[in-house]
Amino acid sequence: DSGVTQTPKHLITATGQRVTLRCSPRSGDLSVYWYQQSLDQGLQFLIQYYNGEERAKGNILERFSAQQFPDLHSELNLSSLELGDSALYFCASSVGFGGTATNEKLFFGSGTQLSVL
Amino acid sequence: QQQVKQSPQSLIVQKGGISIINCAYENTAFDYFPWYQQFPGKGPALLIAIRPDVSEKKEGRFTISFNKSAKQFSLHIMDSQPGDSATYFCAAIRGGYQKVTFGIGTKLQVIP
Repeated sequence: DSGVTQTPKHLITATGQRVTLRCSPRSGDLSVYWYQQSLDQGLQFLIQYYNGEERAKGNILERFSAQQFPDLHSELNLSSLELGDSALYFCASSVGFGGTATNEKLFFGSGTQLSVL
Repeated sequence: QQQVKQSPQSLIVQKGGISIINCAYENTAFDYFPWYQQFPGKGPALLIAIRPDVSEKKEGRFTISFNKSAKQFSLHIMDSQPGDSATYFCAAIRGGYQKVTFGIGTKLQVIP
């Protein structure tokens, strides 16, 4: 068990809808990352928050947004959903900024499987 | 644009055999190369990682071989066991986990 908790595990919704994915990082970790895993694109970095502030953005669509709350849990909001948004969404956490020079490790949750019908 | 090419996409190995997964990268700015193991229904978990100033790193039955000049690195699983059956991802990172590029993944099946 990585210590990173994601809910829900599965989500089925229709095109045009909006959903919220939730993540609780490992105890003591200040950074939360969101990744999308799809069959054609593989694992891709979406966005990172550190201690409540957005730190880095990756391949995140404008229809998607995220935030990290004072208790450090994070939510990823996906709106105007399209069929192509169907994917496995992972949350990960790390203790610091996520720099690999200090051998900081990344811990992944079990993911939320989103199906857009 | 696939910056990290991973092969094969699937691999079947007999118990006790050696599993070999290869990755090739293009960007010479990458400075950290981890391998992740993912079981069904779980998230990726760090298995072993290497930096480009080292040619080989071994942890138990898992070894990374790194060839900087060829821009290639590989994962070797010695004495493969059925419990090793999982999907393996290589990754290349430049500075931090925000700048990570993953390979497409290799589904390994170890048969008794």
